Amino acid sequence: TQLLEQSPQFLSIQEGENLTVYCNSSSVFSSLQWYRQEPGEGPVLLVTVVTGGEVKKLKRLTFQFGDARKDSSLHITAAQPGDTGLYLCAGELGGTSYGKLTFGQGTILTVHP
Amino acid sequence: GAGVSQSPRYKVAKRGQDVALRCDPISGHVSLFWYQQALGQGPEFLTYFQNEAQLDKSGLPSDRFFAERPEGSVSTLKIQRTQQEDSAVYLCASSSMGSLVGELFFGEGSRLTVL
Repeated sequence: TQLLEQSPQFLSIQEGENLTVYCNSSSVFSSLQWYRQEPGEGPVLLVTVVTGGEVKKLKRLTFQFGDARKDSSLHITAAQPGDTGLYLCAGELGGTSYGKLTFGQGTILTVHP
Repeated sequence: GAGVSQSPRYKVAKRGQDVALRCDPISGHVSLFWYQQALGQGPEFLTYFQNEAQLDKSGLPSDRFFAERPEGSVSTLKIQRTQQEDSAVYLCASSSMGSLVGELFFGEGSRLTVL
């Protein structure tokens, strides 16, 4: 059983559409991060959220951390082909303090021109 | 270099061979992590170093896996007697801080294929 469940696993949309990716767990996380990974590359950090209920915006991307710090979402407005990639959520469980991350299984996003 | 460097980028091994994967973290970074990423999956934690000390090796799948960072900079992940299920991308990441508030920088990974 995956500690962090991401959904959907695959998302294929047209340019200009909006989308939301979800990351859910029954465990509480002290912080949660979202990464984007392209083929042949390592994950690159997009955002870190640490406070329950926190909302962060990065251009067309909006990230939210659930009030109970068990879930998170990534919303992309007006998707572009350059947004194509693997999106990963990753959390640090309460009790560790050195950045050990538990990753979700990822969402493969394809944005068609 | 400016980023985390891993070598080799690609390694093909016959089942039963030993392999060694190298990670050169960003200069001065205290924390170093190894993750294993199977095809189409998210990375899974293998082990963590703070300087030269291996503080967490709870994710190493078997005693065939061994990691070291003897001088607190370069790290090597060694896999003995490789098996087909070891085929994956091995990612190294480093951070300047011992907490998640600092950003984790990943290398491009070493793709291991065991035949």
